Amino acid sequence: GAGVSQSPSNKVTEKGKDVELRCDPISGHTALYWYRQSLGQGLEFLIYFQGNSAPDKSGLPSDRFSAERTGGSVSTLTIQRTQQEDSAVYLCASSRGPQGGNEQFFGPGTRLTVL
Amino acid sequence: KNQVEQSPQSLIILEGKNCTLQCNYTVSPFSNLRWYKQDTGRGPVSLTIMTFSENTKSNGRYTATLDADTKQSSLHITASQLSDSASYICVVSGPGGGNKLTFGTGTQLKVEL
Repeated sequence: GAGVSQSPSNKVTEKGKDVELRCDPISGHTALYWYRQSLGQGLEFLIYFQGNSAPDKSGLPSDRFSAERTGGSVSTLTIQRTQQEDSAVYLCASSRGPQGGNEQFFGPGTRLTVL
Repeated sequence: KNQVEQSPQSLIILEGKNCTLQCNYTVSPFSNLRWYKQDTGRGPVSLTIMTFSENTKSNGRYTATLDADTKQSSLHITASQLSDSASYICVVSGPGGGNKLTFGTGTQLKVEL
């Protein structure tokens, strides 16, 4: 596709449920990133993929959060046993490569609301 | 303490006026500094990217400056338009350089008639 796409655009769930968020990066981009944007906060790095491996997952806030990437393309961020503090916009970005000079292109985000 | 601080937090200006947004950072080492524009409900879109050796970078009506000695950057918007209403986010590549980005909390700009 022309840009990074994410689905769903909005997700409302009950506390304790599991959710899966999907990211489709720009075709050919080897690097993929997940960020979280809470109300009034800056974007917070969660995890970075190069190909299918995740050399940096230091931003995942707890073991309830996990992510995978298959075929060097689509990535899924899974949050288990959701808590109200997980409510945020989850943004995915991709770049041509991992080098710092490569521009990261962002998707529109998934707005997660945990009731 | 946030390693990328922006000011002001919010700003309202009249259409056609200029404005300047500020960014101070402590991220070290850093490899580049970016300014992003984020419209409501959308992902951030890159406006400029500067390495530590660059002092200024322009993109249309947007001009970014960087002083790597004082660790300060600014984004100047000239002849503002209603469509400039958005959050402007200063982003530093680091710590450790490479691809890890540290984001400021943004300046919310509103342009009014």
